[in-house]
Amino acid sequence: DSGVTQTPKHLITATGQRVTLRCSPRSGDLSVYWYQQSLDQGLQFLIQYYNGEERAKGNILERFSAQQFPDLHSELNLSSLELGDSALYFCASSVGEGTGGAFFGQGTRLTVV
Amino acid sequence: AQSVTQLGSHVSVSEGALVLLRCNYSSSVPPYLFWYVQYPNQGLQLLLKYTTGATLVKGINGFEAEFKKSETSFHLTKPSAHMSDAAEYFCAVRPLGSQGNLIFGKGTKLSVKP
Repeated sequence: DSGVTQTPKHLITATGQRVTLRCSPRSGDLSVYWYQQSLDQGLQFLIQYYNGEERAKGNILERFSAQQFPDLHSELNLSSLELGDSALYFCASSVGEGTGGAFFGQGTRLTVV
Repeated sequence: AQSVTQLGSHVSVSEGALVLLRCNYSSSVPPYLFWYVQYPNQGLQLLLKYTTGATLVKGINGFEAEFKKSETSFHLTKPSAHMSDAAEYFCAVRPLGSQGNLIFGKGTKLSVKP
């Protein structure tokens, strides 16, 4: 158990819908990262928050957004969903800038039908 | 942009045999380097990391990796494979100047035959 909690574990939704994925980082970790894992793209970094502020952006679509709340949990919002958004979404956390490696949650598997 | 190349999307070894999973990175300046393992339907677990210092890094479950700057490589090895090592392995780099986000290779699926 990495200490990073993601909910829900599975999500099935229709095209055009909006979903919210939730992540609770390890106790004491200030950085939260979101990654998308798909068969064709592999593991891709989406976005990072540090202590409530956005710190880095990767290949995140405009239809996707995230935020980190004062209690340090984070939510990833995916809207106007398309079939191609079906993937495993991981949250990871680290104390600071991740030089020691981030700890990953078990992921949320999103299926868009 | 930095990239990570893992040679071989599938590697199969016999139980007790040497495990060698290859990883090369593209960077003129050594980045921080990581190996993660992913078991089916699980998240990624950190196996080991190289930041600075000793180039031979020991990790969990008997794995180790050697950072070779001249070859821009960070290959993962284990002297004797165990059935429980069957999983997918990802090499990742944290580019210098990044905020901690990682760039991952495509992964290598390791099969262990009895």
